[in-house]
Amino acid sequence: EDKVVQSPLSLVVHEGDTVTLNCSYEVTNFRSLLWYKQEKKAPTFLFMLTSSGIEKKSGRLSSILDKKELSSILNITATQTGDSAIYLCAVGGYTSGTYKYIFGTGTRLKVLA
Amino acid sequence: GAVVSQHPSRVICKSGTSVKIECRSLDFQATTMFWYRQFPKQSLMLMATSNEGSKATYEQGVEKDKFLINHASLTLSTLTVTSAHPEDSSFYICSASGTNSNQPQHFGDGTRLSIL
Repeated sequence: EDKVVQSPLSLVVHEGDTVTLNCSYEVTNFRSLLWYKQEKKAPTFLFMLTSSGIEKKSGRLSSILDKKELSSILNITATQTGDSAIYLCAVGGYTSGTYKYIFGTGTRLKVLA
Repeated sequence: GAVVSQHPSRVICKSGTSVKIECRSLDFQATTMFWYRQFPKQSLMLMATSNEGSKATYEQGVEKDKFLINHASLTLSTLTVTSAHPEDSSFYICSASGTNSNQPQHFGDGTRLSIL
């Protein structure tokens, strides 16, 4: 059965700290791994990692895909209170001829001032 | 960037009512749309995958007669919750992706459904 597991489930840090969020997966015919940030409404897209793009960076956020270990990390440096959110990892792959995304449980990050 | 519009954002209605939720891709052709359900403090649970012009593929445990999905065009998919009951109350989110599986899916803002 396909699954995506994220850790930790929740995390509380202080502003300025660096955090590392983890995502591991077992997905048939893996194609991509995506990171999303969810605040009050629907998730907003952060990064997409594929075999041809295993490392992405945008400002204080960066992500790496390790296809051997079937995992990915999301790093946030110099955290701010605005980074408080749920971070979701989704893995895209083909199952029974259908392309779909499986979401992890999410990591709830709270950044204290 | 890609924009997906979901409507309505909130619905409050009586038990037994059928509710239709629309999901539109505004600036790209969405060959595939996904419908998710999210319970409080939980992750997104895929309900069904919808491809334009064909029947939706439902995940195990999701009643296709309860959750009717139509994807009649490359820019519109609808989810109808038929004869809704309080246990159907949830946050429903759609997403859309284009023809290239190397492009990410983009989400609508979600619909919060409350059945009294």
